[in-house]
Amino acid sequence: KNEVEQSPQNLTAQEGEFITINCSYSVGISALHWLQQHPGGGIVSLFMLSSGKKKHGRLIATINIQEKHSSLHITASHPRDSAVYICAVLFGGSNYKLTFGKGTLLTVNP
Amino acid sequence: NAGVTQTPKFRILKIGQSMTLQCTQDMNHNYMYWYRQDPGMGLKLIYYSVGAGITDKGEVPNGYNVSRSTTEDFPLRLELAAPSQTSVYFCASSNPGQGYEQYFGPGTRLTVT
Repeated sequence: KNEVEQSPQNLTAQEGEFITINCSYSVGISALHWLQQHPGGGIVSLFMLSSGKKKHGRLIATINIQEKHSSLHITASHPRDSAVYICAVLFGGSNYKLTFGKGTLLTVNP
Repeated sequence: NAGVTQTPKFRILKIGQSMTLQCTQDMNHNYMYWYRQDPGMGLKLIYYSVGAGITDKGEVPNGYNVSRSTTEDFPLRLELAAPSQTSVYFCASSNPGQGYEQYFGPGTRLTVT
């Protein structure tokens, strides 16, 4: 069965801390997405990657295809980073359908 | 571009009522999707479409219907609403030329009582 697991489910940090959120998946993929959802808000795509590493501002996403694992890092975290971060995977042969993790609720305190 | 728009933002239905959730995208994307998001659960795919006139079931299609008469519009129909359909509904679109990156609408919060 194609599955996506995220950890941790909940994460509380102090402003300025370095944050890591993990995502693992069960079988080979075509691409992996990291999404952000603010409380009561819509869903925004942060990254899409199929290999290596991508960086956008204070956010960094990495993927290790052999280990079937991806991480999302936030450097110098800020209260405005508080949101749910969702990992979503496009499994090979999935007909363009994403499989979503349950999300990680990040709270950054000032 | 407005991106993906959804209406209404909020709706309360009584058990047994019907309604249509509207979704429109102006990015000329071929692929469109409907998801539901329940508290503490990941997004679940209800229906999807790979082009006008083509739709297919996702993981949780029961109680819903869709149509895709144009590239832009992908309405979701709820027939005989049930409390189990209380959820937040998101519409999304994507194109293979853009690596299947999905663009989401703002969501519709539906309560069935």
